[in-house]
Amino acid sequence: DAGITQSPRHKVTETGTPVTLRCHQTENHRYMYWYRQDPGHGLRLIHYSYGVKDTDKGEVSDGYSVSRSKTEDFLLTLESATSSQTSVYFCAISEEGGTGEKLFFGSGTQLSVL
Amino acid sequence: GENVEQHPSTLSVQEGDSAVIKCTYSDSASNYFPWYKQELGKRPQLIIDIRSNVGEKKDQRIAVTLNKTAKHFSLHITETQPEDSAVYFCAASRGGNEKLTFGTGTRLTIIP
Repeated sequence: DAGITQSPRHKVTETGTPVTLRCHQTENHRYMYWYRQDPGHGLRLIHYSYGVKDTDKGEVSDGYSVSRSKTEDFLLTLESATSSQTSVYFCAISEEGGTGEKLFFGSGTQLSVL
Repeated sequence: GENVEQHPSTLSVQEGDSAVIKCTYSDSASNYFPWYKQELGKRPQLIIDIRSNVGEKKDQRIAVTLNKTAKHFSLHITETQPEDSAVYFCAASRGGNEKLTFGTGTRLTIIP
């Protein structure tokens, strides 16, 4: 087990409110990722990080920001949540050293924006 | 960027029969092709992966084949069992630190 924890596991919020999801890992992995999962779209990359304070955008980054001030924590923020951001969010780390391969996913966060 | 298409979106097979899921990719530079299994309400889990220098890889009842010329790869599950029921995702990347692009998933149901 890669020792990855997501919090919260479930969240209901209202349109326009800020939301922060947390991903915590215990094994000093360099690469961390945030994906969203929606029916008919599979898993889509939002943002990823390749080190402390080193982040980059994925394919669906609009409306999201991330921060990584410590190796173990990768935060995903929805600055002003919209209903289209209702989704299941998965954090992942790469178990293959510094590569983007062999992803191990967290348990997910179910986010509902009303 | 890379585009991965996955078919079929749903698949039902009798227990004991074989199941095949196919994916095509667009980026000829892609060379890493993993498959993930996601049981209901659980996280996606890596079940097998293959690189472009290998045409086929097997692990017990599952196998993946790759056709680089046609740019498609397939997951084969033999002697299916009820615990094989899940959503399966294929993915592709150029390997190394490059990002993965996922297919849209196949819901496999094993009929007892």
